[in-house]
Amino acid sequence: NAGVTQTPKFQVLKTGQSMTLQCAQDMNHNSMYWYRQDPGMGLRLIYYSASEGTTDKGEVPNGYNVSRLNKREFSLRLESAAPSQTSVYFCASRGVLRGNQPQHFGDGTRLSIL
Amino acid sequence: DQQVKQNSPSLSVQEGRISILNCDYTNSMFDYFLWYKKYPAEGPTFLISISSIKDKNEDGRFTVFLNKSAKHLSLHIVPSQPGDSAVYFCAASAESSGDKLTFGTGTRLAVRP
Repeated sequence: NAGVTQTPKFQVLKTGQSMTLQCAQDMNHNSMYWYRQDPGMGLRLIYYSASEGTTDKGEVPNGYNVSRLNKREFSLRLESAAPSQTSVYFCASRGVLRGNQPQHFGDGTRLSIL
Repeated sequence: DQQVKQNSPSLSVQEGRISILNCDYTNSMFDYFLWYKKYPAEGPTFLISISSIKDKNEDGRFTVFLNKSAKHLSLHIVPSQPGDSAVYFCAASAESSGDKLTFGTGTRLAVRP
């Protein structure tokens, strides 16, 4: 099925370890996004990429880095994981640079940091 | 400062009746509003949207109403079905800020058979 694919689905890390979350979309979308969702909260934007070759900070970027590898792939890296980064991470993509189009989400990566 | 608010964490409705989910926003620059539905262990799925130039948008059993003066939108589901049981997120974006989405905290809908 076409859509947004995230890997891995689950991961447990120790404090201080590094980790890269992968995201790929096959809908030829221009924009891609990384969110985190914590209990009792909505999704919060970490980083986004409006088009290939560009990335920008969102609401909660501290402790993360991103790479827009090509039009299909957008990865999120935790250089030194902290317990506060325990969360569910969602990647999303959207088709047009401007205009009203919805974002389409992957099924998430559940990350626990001990 | 929470710019998109869903003040009801949960809602329970009888099958066949109407479900009404509410959402308030504070940022007057928001010009596009969306509802997403989320099942456990899955990503949010786009449900319906509305542009600020409209006050109503309908898609089958789902209707979204926008009241710009009150900065309020609502999602109506008629008739409600058990498969509609999920968490519903309201989201908003502004073209001036690069179409980034700001989400509410969600409302958990339970439709009783």
